[in-house]
Amino acid sequence: AQSVAQPEDQVNVAEGNPLTVKCTYSVSGNPYLFWYVQYPNRGLQFLLKYITGDNLVKGSYGFEAEFNKSQTSFHLKKPSALVSDSALYFCAVRDRTNAGKSTFGDGTTLTVKP
Amino acid sequence: DARVTQTPRHKVTEMGQEVTMRCQPILGHNTVFWYRQTMMQGLELLAYFRNRAPLDDSGMPKDRFSAEMPDATLATLKIQPSEPRDSAVYFCASGLVRGVVGYTFGSGTRLTVV
Repeated sequence: AQSVAQPEDQVNVAEGNPLTVKCTYSVSGNPYLFWYVQYPNRGLQFLLKYITGDNLVKGSYGFEAEFNKSQTSFHLKKPSALVSDSALYFCAVRDRTNAGKSTFGDGTTLTVKP
Repeated sequence: DARVTQTPRHKVTEMGQEVTMRCQPILGHNTVFWYRQTMMQGLELLAYFRNRAPLDDSGMPKDRFSAEMPDATLATLKIQPSEPRDSAVYFCASGLVRGVVGYTFGSGTRLTVV
């Protein structure tokens, strides 16, 4: 069975500082990994994905994520946070043998203060 | 941009009434998902269709919930009879199995059962 853990319910950072939202996963074999963002009263929006290749993946809005196979992690990062980045972030994993069905983490609320 | 359309956006109903939520997936997407989001449980997968066939509805209370895809442009989630504990935001998402892409989520139906 595949699973995702987002160990922090809440992350607070000051605008302009770097941010990290953590995600660890468990899956058989090599994973597909995703990050989504949800703004208030909206559906989830796809941010970025890791399939294979470069461990550092770049996505929308200046976000990037680093895949670390030995630590089974896929942390979301941004060098300089904006107040508008405040939202709920979800990490998701998909087993390559279970094509199409992702398991989502519980979400991390990011608050960026001016 | 292609989008997943969900109707209605909001629904308030009395306990015991039937509720039907509709979703129009993105044309060409062959996988459709229904998720429920609550503060307590987070994002829960209710049902999953591939090429209109139900593949997994283990997350759905079978006695009152049903999900169907009468054609490739329409997915429905029905609750009969509804209960206050069904109050949540229900999201539809669509995606492709071939080629690893993120899902596209609709804006959700906010259901309140009183």
